Amino acid sequence: QKEVEQDPGPLSVPEGAIVSLNCTYSNSAFQYFMWYRQYSRKGPELLMYTYSSGNKEDGRFTAQVDKSSKYISLFIRDSQPSDSATYLCAMSPWGAQKLVFGQGTRLTINP
Amino acid sequence: EADIYQTPRYLVIGTGKKITLECSQTMGHDKMYWYQQDPGMELHLIHYSYGVNSTEKGDLSSESTVSRIRTEHFPLTLESARPSHTSQYLCASSGTGAERGYTFGSGTRLTVV
Repeated sequence: QKEVEQDPGPLSVPEGAIVSLNCTYSNSAFQYFMWYRQYSRKGPELLMYTYSSGNKEDGRFTAQVDKSSKYISLFIRDSQPSDSATYLCAMSPWGAQKLVFGQGTRLTINP
Repeated sequence: EADIYQTPRYLVIGTGKKITLECSQTMGHDKMYWYQQDPGMELHLIHYSYGVNSTEKGDLSSESTVSRIRTEHFPLTLESARPSHTSQYLCASSGTGAERGYTFGSGTRLTVV
């Protein structure tokens, strides 16, 4: 069983829709949770970071962590075509060290 | 603007050749990583380093080797390339402060024919 499970999609939604991306994990030691965005032919870039449980909001993006369910989510409001990318969740027990990544969800926002 | 640089961006090479993928960062980060990423698949850690003269193998078995002689430089070498090595290789670094996560390079897409 993989430590981190993420639905690879692809996911296609119309512009302006609310997007929900999710990951589940099995290692209860994970405390640091991140979301990365990866455009085609580029390396991933950090989008959101959360420590332990709770919510974090940054503009149109909201990250949620539910440690009791071992489940994390990324919500994108008012989605734009420029949000089209692959989104990877990542997590670690020790901060930004030896992150374990999900498979990535390929998202397309249609104008 | 990228602070971590990978060269070459694309490489097509014949079986049996020795290749070195370059990775350099200008942020003074102690920790550096090499990941392998196949299309639609998760990133797999193949090597990491927590400082000069410190290197470790990652979770994915790899026939490559790395060196860390200078803080800013973390090259990856394949002594004898095989078609099974065809993949995208991503280099990353991280400093203090978990909230900054990793900074990734743009990757090297390697094709072995």
